Amino acid sequence: SQTIHQWPATLVQPVGSPLSLECTVEGTSNPNLYWYRQAAGRGLQLLFYSVGIGQISSEVPQNLSASRPQDRQYILSSKKLLLSDSGFYLCAWSPAGVAQGVYNSPLHFGNGTRLTVT
Amino acid sequence: GESVGLHLPTLSVQEGDNSIINCAYSNSASDYFIWYKQESGKGPQFIIDIRSNMDKRQGQRVTVLLNKTVKHLSLQIAATQPGDSAVYFCAEMRETSGSRLTFGEGTQLTVNP
Repeated sequence: SQTIHQWPATLVQPVGSPLSLECTVEGTSNPNLYWYRQAAGRGLQLLFYSVGIGQISSEVPQNLSASRPQDRQYILSSKKLLLSDSGFYLCAWSPAGVAQGVYNSPLHFGNGTRLTVT
Repeated sequence: GESVGLHLPTLSVQEGDNSIINCAYSNSASDYFIWYKQESGKGPQFIIDIRSNMDKRQGQRVTVLLNKTVKHLSLQIAATQPGDSAVYFCAEMRETSGSRLTFGEGTQLTVNP
């Protein structure tokens, strides 16, 4: 079965420090990968999605970047964190093919990283 | 603009009662709808989905109803249990959005013993 791992679970970082959050997926090949951010008590906002190694699509302009160095590894980064980067960051995957029109499979989420920028 | 939203931010029910959580969407081109359950401190968990060529789908204790005429989606939970307490999100996807889900704001369901 497929599993998704996301770490760390919580992180407190000072303003101006770098960020690296990591996500890995097991049990599937060539998944679509996503980074979402969730503000407290709110819905999820898509930040980045990737349909393959080295392919990243950005949804909103921001202080963050994403990379996919391996098929099942997805990284969210920042060179200098802002206070507004605080939030709950979620990695998700879906089966390959969703972007090509096979859009009848749900996204499966990791357990998130709670980031607090101080 | 495009949006997926919920009618009520909170819902409180008694244990054993049936719960109904509602969701409205604005884009008539939406093809695929998903309900997620999110417990505190965890990622959203898939509950049930439905394609736009259906108007009802049932799972274990849950039913999703889709009314495309009024662009309304609902999640019905039968015999609600304390473990059902969570935030519930609806999400939609359409062919033109590729692999992107659009989420509603969520409804907090509280089950009282």
